[in-house]
Amino acid sequence: NAGVTQTPKFQVLKTGQSMTLQCAQDMNHNSMYWYRQDPGMGLRLIYYSASEGTTDKGEVPNGYNVSRLNKREFSLRLESAAPSQTSVYFCASRPGLNYNSPLHFGNGTRLTVT
Amino acid sequence: DQQVKQNSPSLSVQEGRISILNCDYTNSMFDYFLWYKKYPAEGPTFLISISSIKDKNEDGRFTVFLNKSAKHLSLHIVPSQPGDSAVYFCAATRGGSNYKLTFGKGTLLTVNP
Repeated sequence: NAGVTQTPKFQVLKTGQSMTLQCAQDMNHNSMYWYRQDPGMGLRLIYYSASEGTTDKGEVPNGYNVSRLNKREFSLRLESAAPSQTSVYFCASRPGLNYNSPLHFGNGTRLTVT
Repeated sequence: DQQVKQNSPSLSVQEGRISILNCDYTNSMFDYFLWYKKYPAEGPTFLISISSIKDKNEDGRFTVFLNKSAKHLSLHIVPSQPGDSAVYFCAATRGGSNYKLTFGKGTLLTVNP
C-alpha cells in the first residue's frame, strides 16, 4: 500500500519549458489536492479536486493547469515554466467525507526552473 | 494576508522536557484545526486535530489546546524525544470549503539529547 505517489521526485526545467507532475493514490480517496511549498513559507493550495470529474482553483493557481484523470490520478501541468515556479510540490488526498479524515501527502516533487 | 501565523520559526528543547508550539489565526470562520509534522525530504504527516467545539484534544504525548476567544492554539509534546525533531505546521479550515487547508509557515523543533 503505497499511499500517495508522486513522480518525478526531482526535475530541472528551463524557462518556457512545459512539464506534468504526476500524482496517484491507492486509498480510494475522493478528494485530491496540489500544494506548493517555498522556503520560509507554509504550504499553499494550487488546485484541488473535491471528487472525480471536478477541479477548482486554490490560492495560487496562475501558471498551472490540472487534470483529474480518474479517481486515482491527479496531474499538475506547467505550460510555460517560470523561475517563480521553483518550489517543492506536494500532492495530497483524503476520503472527502468528514473532518475526521485528514489529508495524506506524497513525498513531493522538487522542481527547479532556471 | 496571513490567516494562520506561527511566529516562532524555531524552538529548541531538551529531551524529556515539554515542547510548546504556538499558532494564531485571524479568520473567525475557521472551525477545524490541525497540526502536521514534516521531516526533510518527506511529505507532511498528520499529527493531531481539534474542532472548534472543543478546547482540548489529547493523543498520547501530544495535546492540542484551542482558545477561540484569543484565536490561538498550541501543541504540547510531553515528554519531548529526539525523534520529534521536525518542522511542525499548524493548519486551519472551515466547513463548506472542501477541506481547503490554510497553513502557517511552520516551526522547526529541535529536541536535544
